[in-house]
Amino acid sequence: DAGITQSPRHKVTETGTPVTLRCHQTENHRYMYWYRQDPGHGLRLIHYSYGVKDTDKGEVSDGYSVSRSKTEDFLLTLESATSSQTSVYFCAAATGNNEKLFFGSGTQLSVL
Amino acid sequence: SQQGEEDPQALSIQEGENATMNCSYKTSINNLQWYRQNSGRGLVHLILIRSNEREKHSGRLRVTLDTSKKSSSLLITASRAADTASYFCATDDQTGANNLFFGTGTRLTVIP
Repeated sequence: DAGITQSPRHKVTETGTPVTLRCHQTENHRYMYWYRQDPGHGLRLIHYSYGVKDTDKGEVSDGYSVSRSKTEDFLLTLESATSSQTSVYFCAAATGNNEKLFFGSGTQLSVL
Repeated sequence: SQQGEEDPQALSIQEGENATMNCSYKTSINNLQWYRQNSGRGLVHLILIRSNEREKHSGRLRVTLDTSKKSSSLLITASRAADTASYFCATDDQTGANNLFFGTGTRLTVIP
């Protein structure tokens, strides 16, 4: 998927545990994004980054944090997973902000 | 919210026919994008149309934008079985919110 790699692809975890999802890009895109996809809601933005160590909140950021220590890596952390965070998580990257996003293949996260 | 809405939610056609799907949105935009998502995969960018453009073509794709009606349409001509996927429109927001708003998608099935 256009140089965007997400890991893990699938994860099952228990309520209350911390979880970190990883996104790695090889195209030197400046902007990176984390979305979640849920039935009936489309994709919703969790957090985004506009450069190394520059991040900001999206539409549904509560319960999530992110870090970007290198251009190519963007981490999403669920500080204490809840069942409402069961979802498919997509990472995306772009050269221009909010234009022509390249998406990873997604991470299916189940919180039991 | 600005979230786009695609119409219809599902569309089933025979191979070779044309497929038209529509997107409506609520507030002024700078651009509108269409993405495709195959089952279990990430989204793939198809086309971007800016607010000062009325029509854009890319291969078998034709996108129109009517900013007065706050709507866009995606036409896929001479459909193929490989076009079977979900199609999403995404809009930005001129109010300055750094967010790309995705609709819930149109599920297209092309019958061979």
